[in-house]
Amino acid sequence: QLQLQESGPGLVKPSETLSLTCTVSGGSISTGSYSWGWIRQPPGKGLEWIGSIHYSGSPYYNPSLKSRVTISEDTSKNHFSLRLSSVTAADTAVYYCARHQPGSGRYPFEYWGQGTLVTVSS
Amino acid sequence: SYELTQPPSVSVSPGQTASITCSGDELGDKYGCWYQQKPGQSPVLVIYQDNKRPSGIPERFSGSNSGNTATLTISGTQAMDEADYYCQAWDSSTLVFGGGTKLTVL
Repeated sequence: QLQLQESGPGLVKPSETLSLTCTVSGGSISTGSYSWGWIRQPPGKGLEWIGSIHYSGSPYYNPSLKSRVTISEDTSKNHFSLRLSSVTAADTAVYYCARHQPGSGRYPFEYWGQGTLVTVSS
Repeated sequence: SYELTQPPSVSVSPGQTASITCSGDELGDKYGCWYQQKPGQSPVLVIYQDNKRPSGIPERFSGSNSGNTATLTISGTQAMDEADYYCQAWDSSTLVFGGGTKLTVL
């Protein structure tokens, strides 16, 4: 059974860079036509897509966050990562990693991690 | 930017049919999907490609999409279906979520 686990600091200072890793078990991130993504959810609010990385290794981002986001993968460690720069309190949220349904098109997320709360505060 | 609009809340009596709508410009020309999220849990995909159910999702969940509106229908709603529901679609290469609908079963 595929499992995804987010990890990283739970507290980040304003103006600094948020860094999270999603470790995948029960499957390889480099096998098959799977893309992997990040989604966040501020406390008490809705879901927001941050971006995804295609199985070819090409990332694609939410235009509203594109200038601050980098998504990358490390196939040797079977994980992919999120970096969000110049954070503010508005970036406080539960961050989820997830896997898209297979295919080269635009597919929904079928597997999700449990999420990790990141708070931006000095 | 593309937007998907959902009603903030929907109420339904146990055993009745619940319908949750999601509106967006020419949404019917795109594939819509739906996620269920219970408090403290990660979202779960319940409908994809407008009307397909992933393995393990009960048959009482169904979907449709036409014109500017996608609809999630839950037939014979059960107490366990009380949750937040989010629609989602793609606009070009951007994944968009609706604002979410809280379904109350009372």
